[in-house]
Amino acid sequence: DAGVTQSPTHLIKTRGQQVTLRCSPKSGHDTVSWYQQALGQGPQFIFQYYEEEERQRGNFPDRFSGHQFPNYSSELNVNALLLGDSALYLCASSPRGSYGYTFGSGTRLTVV
Amino acid sequence: GIQVEQSPPDLILQEGANSTLRCNFSDSVNNLQWFHQNPWGQLINLFYIPSGTKQNGRLSATTVATERYSLLYISSSQTTDSGVYFCAVPSDSGNTGKLIFGQGTTLQVKP
Repeated sequence: DAGVTQSPTHLIKTRGQQVTLRCSPKSGHDTVSWYQQALGQGPQFIFQYYEEEERQRGNFPDRFSGHQFPNYSSELNVNALLLGDSALYLCASSPRGSYGYTFGSGTRLTVV
Repeated sequence: GIQVEQSPPDLILQEGANSTLRCNFSDSVNNLQWFHQNPWGQLINLFYIPSGTKQNGRLSATTVATERYSLLYISSSQTTDSGVYFCAVPSDSGNTGKLIFGQGTTLQVKP
């Protein structure tokens, strides 16, 4: 049984560009959450999706947006990239209303 | 909002030694989780422990909810225990969407 799959694993972008990160949840999970983890820090909540809608959002600017598809997979989009957006982006899936998170291995984004 | 603090920030052990990691939180919680982040970045859930004590092999955890702290014990440490350990709590009671993480404890176990 596959866990949470994220792609790509690594990515290098230039300031001002746009990026899309992808997440496939664990089988049986319908809720997807995204976290940003800067180097040496704990993960910070970006937003959560279920039923194809954003349900909760952390303290991130509108440059961060997302989408959830009918098959529960999700995308995280970041526009107008800044150097400070360089981080590990983690996706977590869970059954709705559950604390039973499964995390992916993340996408490491470097903005130069 | 709720604050989560972990100590120590860094820990270096010799293989076979025991260790205790601490997590303090600023408000009452109905859930607390301990995670281990492996060298590839993946967060692995170790315990769901809003209160009481749980054990899983060489690892155990205790949460004293009334005093707002949790402890993670690692006994007979192995090099594979190296990595970063995080505790996390819900941002507010009943909120299964948003976890607040501590800054982590980086553990290095030397052979």
